[in-house]
Amino acid sequence: DAMVIQNPRYQVTQFGKPVTLSCSQTLNHNVMYWYQQKSSQAPKLLFHYYDKDFNNEADTPDNFQSRRPNTSFCFLDIRSPGLGDAAMYLCATSRGVGTPAYGYTFGSGTRLTVV
Amino acid sequence: DAKTTQPNSMESNEEEPVHLPCNHSTISGTDYIHWYRQLPSQGPEYVIHGLTSNVNNRMASLAIAEDRKSSTLILHRATLRDAAVYYCILRDSGGGADGLTFGKGTHLIIQP
Repeated sequence: DAMVIQNPRYQVTQFGKPVTLSCSQTLNHNVMYWYQQKSSQAPKLLFHYYDKDFNNEADTPDNFQSRRPNTSFCFLDIRSPGLGDAAMYLCATSRGVGTPAYGYTFGSGTRLTVV
Repeated sequence: DAKTTQPNSMESNEEEPVHLPCNHSTISGTDYIHWYRQLPSQGPEYVIHGLTSNVNNRMASLAIAEDRKSSTLILHRATLRDAAVYYCILRDSGGGADGLTFGKGTHLIIQP
């Protein structure tokens, strides 16, 4: 029973062409996160939504945006993908209050290729 | 969140126990110790976490030193499916909903 679902599993986009990655969750968690993981590197947090409140990491490029229309869904928009944006994009969720005492649930990721 | 130090890689044989160490000498009293693992081409997967006492679940055991400056993730009987990168991460209980900060982790290799 997948609890954090990312679609598609693989995405190919053209250089400069906007692309959207999606994430949905069945856990009813308050917080949804987006991470970027480049080859042979650790995941890097881009931003997160606590309910409707958006929290951007200081070094996340402006090229990356996010939307959360409701509790279950969260989208990652890359406005003008460059070759350097090719990576695995991971979505995760947590309860919010008391998160350190519980944990995080990750999706399987979307691997983005930019051609 | 305080920093952790893990070996870059470890190798073990199938069906043997594996002990993965993590040093966190600057841990604070309110830091939880989390372990996640990432199988090839998958998202990270929660393994176990604890605060002060040793913890056991169906996947693994977590042994926490008395002074909490180190911990060990124990896989009791490794299988080939346990080959993954294992991340030890500290999360302050007062840190709210902040995301995880991943270090380089330990690449665990299981030999048949």
